[in-house]
Amino acid sequence: EDQVTQSPEALRLQEGESSSLNCSYTVSGLRGLFWYRQDPGKGPEFLFTLYSAGEEKEKERLKATLTKKESFLHITAPKPEDSATYLCAVQGEAGGTSYGKLTFGQGTILTVHP
Amino acid sequence: NAGVTQTPKFQVLKTGQSMTLQCAQDMNHEYMSWYRQDPGMGLRLIHYSVGAGITDQGEVPNGYNVSRSTTEDFPLRLLSAAPSQTSVYFCASSYSEGSGTEAFFGQGTRLTVV
Repeated sequence: EDQVTQSPEALRLQEGESSSLNCSYTVSGLRGLFWYRQDPGKGPEFLFTLYSAGEEKEKERLKATLTKKESFLHITAPKPEDSATYLCAVQGEAGGTSYGKLTFGQGTILTVHP
Repeated sequence: NAGVTQTPKFQVLKTGQSMTLQCAQDMNHEYMSWYRQDPGMGLRLIHYSVGAGITDQGEVPNGYNVSRSTTEDFPLRLLSAAPSQTSVYFCASSYSEGSGTEAFFGQGTRLTVV
């Protein structure tokens, strides 16, 4: 069974204070690891897909990296508008079916204070 | 292009009542799914569909029914609401079978069963 664990559960940063969020996973045949951002009262919004160990992707102040066991979401010089819940999900081999089920972690609540 | 649209946004039901949560997408995506989000549990898959006329169960299907008569619509039916079904429900769609393809989420339906 695929599993995803995110840490920390909550992270408070000062504006400009860089940090990282962790996503540890176990999956049978990784098809993709996804990062989503979720604002209060909204649906998850797609950020990145990573496919293989060593891959990195960047978007503004965010950089996602992937190893065979975990992914990190690095936040450089964060701003208050980066405050949100960040979700990690993996998509594994579908066990003979064509649909790759997403398995989500519980998320990290990020708060950036001005 | 509205993306994934869910209605209603909020709903209060009495125990034993039935209702249908609506989901529509205008991106011509073949793959649609329903998730529920509970505090500390992450997003969990209820049912999914790989195309019109084809549906299957996810991780937590009990108490819910789905059907897919068109590519655009994927309604979720609660047969006899229970307090344990109090949750936030998200519909998602993606354009391929899931080989690392990101899912697009609706804004959610917040359901309370009293």
